[in-house]
This record gives sequence, structure tokens and C-alpha cells, in this order.
Amino acid sequence: EAQVTQNPRYLITVTGKKLTVTCSQNMNHEYMSWYRQDPGLGLRQIYYSMNVEVTDKGDVPEGYKVSRKEKRNFPLILESPSPNQTSLYFCASSLTGGETQYFGPGTRLLVL
Amino acid sequence: KQEVTQIPAALSVPEGENLVLNCSFTDSAIYNLQWFRQDPGKGLTSLLLIQSSQREQTSGRLNASLDKSSGRSTLYIAASQPGDSATYLCAVKSSGYALNFGKGTSLLVTP
Repeated sequence: EAQVTQNPRYLITVTGKKLTVTCSQNMNHEYMSWYRQDPGLGLRQIYYSMNVEVTDKGDVPEGYKVSRKEKRNFPLILESPSPNQTSLYFCASSLTGGETQYFGPGTRLLVL
Repeated sequence: KQEVTQIPAALSVPEGENLVLNCSFTDSAIYNLQWFRQDPGKGLTSLLLIQSSQREQTSGRLNASLDKSSGRSTLYIAASQPGDSATYLCAVKSSGYALNFGKGTSLLVTP
């Protein structure tokens, strides 16, 4: 089944403790991206990747890192999480960036 | 920066009604526009994608139109059902690779 998977689905952590949220797609897509969704602010793009080893900042990249070493994986790294990074995070992919975007199920993060 | 607005923010209709959801955007130089559905606690499901050269797309009871010159898109849902209850999001792809989302319309269809 074609899909985007994210892990973990739920995460509670404390300020400053490094964490990684994984994202994987099995559709051989070149383009992948990360979004955060907050009440009243909607979905905002954090980072995106056009293909392996090529990434770029979205609208809200501060406090996040990404890497794209393989086509199928695009992990989101929070090196020193803060409470303002408490949010619902979505990973998405599409063939080259201009087509239908497929979203993962989301990761709900709470930073205490 | 592309700004995307969705009106209304929330809508409640009785089952069987036809309804229209609106999406407007500030920069008409778009690449495509996509409508998504989001169920509570779930991810986004793509409903329809309209390329900038197209005027409309249809899938089952859903029809989406695009008027680039006026910066508007509408999503028409025919014969609404309780299972259509969800949040509907409009997303615009402009230059580059960014996808700009509206804040959504929360739809409730009552039996």
C-alpha cells in the first residue's frame, strides 16, 4: 500500500532533550516536506527536500534540522526542544513537488 | 508572500444539502491548488488537485473550480452526508516548492 509513515505518533518530552521524528515513504517520491499544525495558525511548512541531499527552509525552520540521505526517509530533528515546539507535525511527499501531496498520519508532540 | 483565506471557518448543514466552500488567495501566479480533507486526529487526504491551466476538477460528489484571475477556488459538495463531516483545507502552490494552506473550513453535516 502506498503510504507515508511517521514515528512516533505521540511523544511527550522535556525541554532540551534531543528527539527525532522519522518519516518514510514507499512511493519513490523525490519531494518530501515537514509541516506543523497549530490552532489558529493552520499548517506551516518547516523544511522541504527536492531530492536526496538537497533540502531548504520553509516558513518556520527555527529550532529544527532535517537530513535526506536516502530517497525514502526524511527525519525531523529537534536538537533542543522548547515548549513552543509543542504541535502536531505532518510529513508529506509528492513525485517531484508539483503533484498531489500525500500526508503521513501526524505526530503529536508535547514539550514540557 | 501568498496568503490563503477560507470562508466560512465553520459550517453546519442538514444531510442532503448541496454546499460550497470558498478559498481565496492573494497572488494569482499559482502553479496549482489542492483541496484536502482532515478528520479529527488524522492526517490530510487529498481530494482534488487543479493545475493552473484547468478551470475545474470533479471526483464523485465533489467539484472544485479555479478562477486564477480573481484569486478564488470553490469546492462544491453535492448531496452532503454525515460522513462528509471533517475539516476541509485549501492549499496553493506558487513559485518554488512551498505549499501555502488556508486555515480550513470545519464542516458538520447533521442527520
